[in-house]
Amino acid sequence: AQKVTQAQTEISVVEKEDVTLDCVYETRDTTYYLFWYKQPPSGELVFLIRRNSFDEQNEISGRYSWNFQKSTSSFNFTITASQVVDSAVYFCALSGDILTGGGNKLTFGTGTQLKVEL
Amino acid sequence: NAGVTQTPKFQVLKTGQSMTLQCAQDMNHEYMSWYRQDPGMGLRLIHYSVGAGITDQGEVPNGYNVSRSTTEDFPLRLLSAAPSQTSVYFCASRNLGQASYEQYFGPGTRLTVT
Repeated sequence: AQKVTQAQTEISVVEKEDVTLDCVYETRDTTYYLFWYKQPPSGELVFLIRRNSFDEQNEISGRYSWNFQKSTSSFNFTITASQVVDSAVYFCALSGDILTGGGNKLTFGTGTQLKVEL
Repeated sequence: NAGVTQTPKFQVLKTGQSMTLQCAQDMNHEYMSWYRQDPGMGLRLIHYSVGAGITDQGEVPNGYNVSRSTTEDFPLRLLSAAPSQTSVYFCASRNLGQASYEQYFGPGTRLTVT
């Protein structure tokens, strides 16, 4: 069974602070895919990043960066110099291997509410 | 492209009523799915489909029916609504080829069952 844990329910920071959102996952598949989605107050779900289990390179996109560590089953998300527009709920999600049946089911964590204040 | 569209945006039902949540996509995606989002529980998969005529259950399928007669449409039916089905429902689609493909989500339907 697949499981995603986002232990931080809510985080509040002051604008320009750096913030890291934690994601820990469980899967028996050797091939799997990890995702981050953003849900702003308007409610839609916005795709941020995808990472497959064979690619442990960290990725940076502007103020966003992701740290994937298979040894600790973690896929953490850092926002540098946070802004008020970053306020949203952020979800980490996991999809397994199609060959084992896990590829058709995207498992979400419970989300982290990020509040960025002036 | 309109992407993934859902109707209605809001709905209030009485216990025992039935209704269908509509979902359509114009990206020719084989894979479509329905999720429900409840406070503190993230999104949970209800049903999914890998093509016309093929559907399967997700994590929380009880109380919901689906069918897939065309590639574009994937309606979700509540046969006898219950207060426990009060939730925000999201439809999503993606290319079937690989699990690595990201899912595109619709704007959601907020359902209240009284």
